[in-house]
Amino acid sequence: LAKTTQPISMDSYEGQEVNITCSHNNIATNDYITWYQQFPSQGPRFIIQGYKTKVTNEVASLFIPADRKSSTLSLPRVSLSDTAVYYCLVGGVQGAQKLVFGQGTRLTINP
Amino acid sequence: SQTIHQWPATLVQPVGSPLSLECTVEGTSNPNLYWYRQAAGRGLQLLFYSVGIGQISSEVPQNLSASRPQDRQFILSSKKLLLSDSGFYLCAWSVLAGGFSYNEQFFGPGTRLTVL
Repeated sequence: LAKTTQPISMDSYEGQEVNITCSHNNIATNDYITWYQQFPSQGPRFIIQGYKTKVTNEVASLFIPADRKSSTLSLPRVSLSDTAVYYCLVGGVQGAQKLVFGQGTRLTINP
Repeated sequence: SQTIHQWPATLVQPVGSPLSLECTVEGTSNPNLYWYRQAAGRGLQLLFYSVGIGQISSEVPQNLSASRPQDRQFILSSKKLLLSDSGFYLCAWSVLAGGFSYNEQFFGPGTRLTVL
C-alpha cells in the first residue's frame, strides 16, 4: 500500500476554506485516494474518494493532479464542528480493503 | 438502513484477564468485517479482517484473536491481556459491489479498553 504524508496539524477560522494536502509519491495505477474524518472517541467517517481530477460531494472537494502523487481535500466555509482529525488513504478497491491509517491531520477551527 | 453495534462501550480489565469484544452488523448481508485498534493520539491499526464466516486474516501478530461465528458477528478475544492492549477498539464493515469496495468502511462506536 502506498504511504501517505500529511501535515500533523492545521488551524483555521470559521467561514474560511481549508485545504489539506496529502503526498503519495508511490501511488499505484489502480489505487484510489480516500479521505476520512474522525472526531474524538468516535470511529472515522468516510468523506470522499477519487481517482483523478476533481470530485465534489455535499461536504468536500477532492483535487487530484494529473501525476496523482498528491491530493488536496478542500472544505468550504468551515465551522467549529469541522474540528477533527482527517486521514488520507491510498489503496485499491478490489476485494477486502486493508486500509492503512497514518497519523492524520488534526484540524482545529477557531471562532 | 445498516447499523453496526459494539459492546461494551468501555472496559477496565486487569493484566492477565481474558477479553471478549463483540461487534454485530444489521441491514446487510455478507459484509467484510474489520477490527482496528487506536492508541491514544495515534492512527488506526488494522488487527483483523474477515470476508466471510470462519475466514479471518490477521494483520498484526499479537496475543489477540478474532472469530466470525455468524455472517454479521465479529468477536475480538484475548486469553491474557497485556498493558499494551489498552486502546480504542473499533469494528468496521464494508460491502463488495461487483468486486469493488470503494474503500468506504463504516465504523462502530468503539470500545475503550483500559488494562491495569
